[in-house]
Amino acid sequence: GDSVTQTEGPVTLSEGTSLTVNCSYETKQYPTLFWYVQYPGEGPQLLFKVPKANEKGSNRGFEATYNKEATSFHLQKASVQESDSAVYYCALSDRHTNAYKVIFGKGTHLHVLP
Amino acid sequence: DPKIIQKPKYLVAVTGSEKILICEQYLGHNAMYWYRQSAKKPLEFMFSYSYQKLMDNQTASSRFQPQSSKKNHLDLQITALKPDDSATYFCASSQDRGTNERLFFGHGTKLSVL
Repeated sequence: GDSVTQTEGPVTLSEGTSLTVNCSYETKQYPTLFWYVQYPGEGPQLLFKVPKANEKGSNRGFEATYNKEATSFHLQKASVQESDSAVYYCALSDRHTNAYKVIFGKGTHLHVLP
Repeated sequence: DPKIIQKPKYLVAVTGSEKILICEQYLGHNAMYWYRQSAKKPLEFMFSYSYQKLMDNQTASSRFQPQSSKKNHLDLQITALKPDDSATYFCASSQDRGTNERLFFGHGTKLSVL
């Protein structure tokens, strides 16, 4: 079945340093790829999505490129801020025999120190 | 203002009892979902509904029964509760059902079964 594997956390960084959260996926179809972010006490919210291979998504300084050959969708940010502390989920949306569902990775807890 | 309302925010139940988790969305969306978040499986897909019809069911146990009385309501009834059911249950919605659809999540109901 479909699956998403991402960097195991927690990841602790100092403000101003760069971030990479690795994400790889498995599917037999052609998925749309997502990054969601979850702050304490809230539900996940979309950071951005990329429906097509070889395209890049970005939002709030975060970016990721849909690499179909490597089946990867790594999240990057050049300079993190304390407010970026949250849990980040890589996800894919696929269609199997008329069933649509979003499958999430296990999440990566990012903690940014001031 | 929250556009997806989940009630209650916290719920404590005894083993063997029955509870109903409430979800209402005011986004005008046609598709609604339930996800479960626990330490073992961070964001696990449970059900999807489209125009009040059950479309996908990934929950093996019949103790979990979604109920849709209106297009913007999707409640979750859980019977014969077990300690393993302890988790945060998230309701989500999307404009329609499809691979490119963005999910909007509520703040969750945290269920503790003693």
